[in-house]
Amino acid sequence: AQTVTQSQPEMSVQEAETVTLSCTYDTSESNYYLFWYKQPPSRQMILVIRQEAYKQQNATENRFSVNFQKAAKSFSLKISDSQLGDTAMYFCAFMKRSGGSNYKLTFGKGTLLTVNP
Amino acid sequence: NAGVMQNPRHLVRRRGQEARLRCSPMKGHSHVYWYRQLPEEGLKFMVYLQKENIIDESGMPKERFSAEFPKEGPSILRIQQVVRGDSAAYFCASSPLGPGGLDGYTFGSGTRLTVV
Repeated sequence: AQTVTQSQPEMSVQEAETVTLSCTYDTSESNYYLFWYKQPPSRQMILVIRQEAYKQQNATENRFSVNFQKAAKSFSLKISDSQLGDTAMYFCAFMKRSGGSNYKLTFGKGTLLTVNP
Repeated sequence: NAGVMQNPRHLVRRRGQEARLRCSPMKGHSHVYWYRQLPEEGLKFMVYLQKENIIDESGMPKERFSAEFPKEGPSILRIQQVVRGDSAAYFCASSPLGPGGLDGYTFGSGTRLTVV
C-alpha cells in the first residue's frame, strides 16, 4: 500500500514571496504519477500540477513548480510570487500508473497555506 | 461544458435517516469515483463505478453504504441509517478514460453531510 506524508500542517507566506510545501511518499511501485491539488474555502478540488515518475524533468505550471526526487521519494511544491488567491489547503497525492488499482488517488493530510498581504 | 455536478451542496440528516448524494459526471466521462474527506484529513477512496457496473468498492464501509451509476442519470451514493461518524465531505470525480490515464480526474465541489 502507498502512503503520502505532508509534515507541515500549516504554513504562511507574505504576498509576492516564495514558499515550498513538502511531501514524501512510500511505495514499492516504479511507475506512478504524483499530483498537487489545491482546495480553497469553496471546497473545490483543483489540480495544480502533476508529475510522471519516469520523467526526470520537474514539472512546471506558471508560478508552480515541483522538486521531484525519486530516490528520496520526495515531491515538494514551490509557489513563486505568492498571491492572496493561493490561500488554500494543498494536498499531495499518488496514483499507480499500471497494474491493479491504478485509478485510486492516495492523498496526504494536507498543508493549510495562508498568504498574508 | 459543465464540470462535475454534485448535489446537494449541503445535507443535514438526523441519526437513522437516509442520505442520498448525487453526482453528474462531465459530459463524455463514463468513469466515476467517490471519495470521502473526514475533518482534518485528506480524501480517501470509496468506490469506482462505470455505467451500470461497480468496479471497485474496496474503500466503502461494508454496511449501510451503497453506490450506483445507472445507464441513465447521475451516480448515487446512498448512506442508510446515518450516524454522527458519517459526517464528512463527499466528493465525486469523473474521468474520460479508464485506469492509467493521465487525463486525470475532474472533481466536483463535494457534498457536506452533517448528521445531527
